[in-house]
Amino acid sequence: ELKVEQNPLFLSMQEGKNYTIYCNYSTTSDRLYWYRQDPGKSLESLFVLLSNGAVKQEGRLMASLDTKARLSTLHITAAVHDLSATYFCAVAQWGGGADGLTFGKGTHLIIQP
Amino acid sequence: GAVVSQHPSRVICKSGTSVKIECRSLDFQATTMFWYRQFPKQSLMLMATSNEGSKATYEQGVEKDKFLINHASLTLSTLTVTSAHPEDSSFYICSARPGYSNQPQHFGDGTRLSIL
Repeated sequence: ELKVEQNPLFLSMQEGKNYTIYCNYSTTSDRLYWYRQDPGKSLESLFVLLSNGAVKQEGRLMASLDTKARLSTLHITAAVHDLSATYFCAVAQWGGGADGLTFGKGTHLIIQP
Repeated sequence: GAVVSQHPSRVICKSGTSVKIECRSLDFQATTMFWYRQFPKQSLMLMATSNEGSKATYEQGVEKDKFLINHASLTLSTLTVTSAHPEDSSFYICSARPGYSNQPQHFGDGTRLSIL
């Protein structure tokens, strides 16, 4: 059974600071995703990571994937209030195709002015 | 980009009512769609995989007679919560991914179901 562990689950930080969210998964996978969810809303896709060593950046967010360690990180640089949201990592089962995703529990991020 | 539309966005109804939720891929064909459920302040849990033209695949612990899934075309999947009870109140979200490309799954806006 694929398990996805995310930490921390809650993070309160000040604007301008840097921080990293970690996502560990238990079995081999060929695809890892990061999503953002605002309160009462659905999921917004942030990153798709497909191979070992993959690194993607968008604005103040950067995601990386180490398939050997089964670890992905989402790094926040110089945080701003607009980044306050819940962030989920999700993993597709090995074998690709049309498998559903297994989600981490999410990291509730609050960025204070 | 790929768009997934979900309807209705909010349902409030009495216990015992059956509720149908629609999920449409607007600008791509999806042979497979997925249905998730999210309880307040919790993560998303995969309920079932909806397969066009064939039976849905349900995750362990999900009652297939309770949550009926129909995927009659390449752009539409429906989830019917039959004889809903208060414990079925949740946020239901569908997703789909264009073909087998390396794109992310795109999620609908979700349906907030409240059973009184």
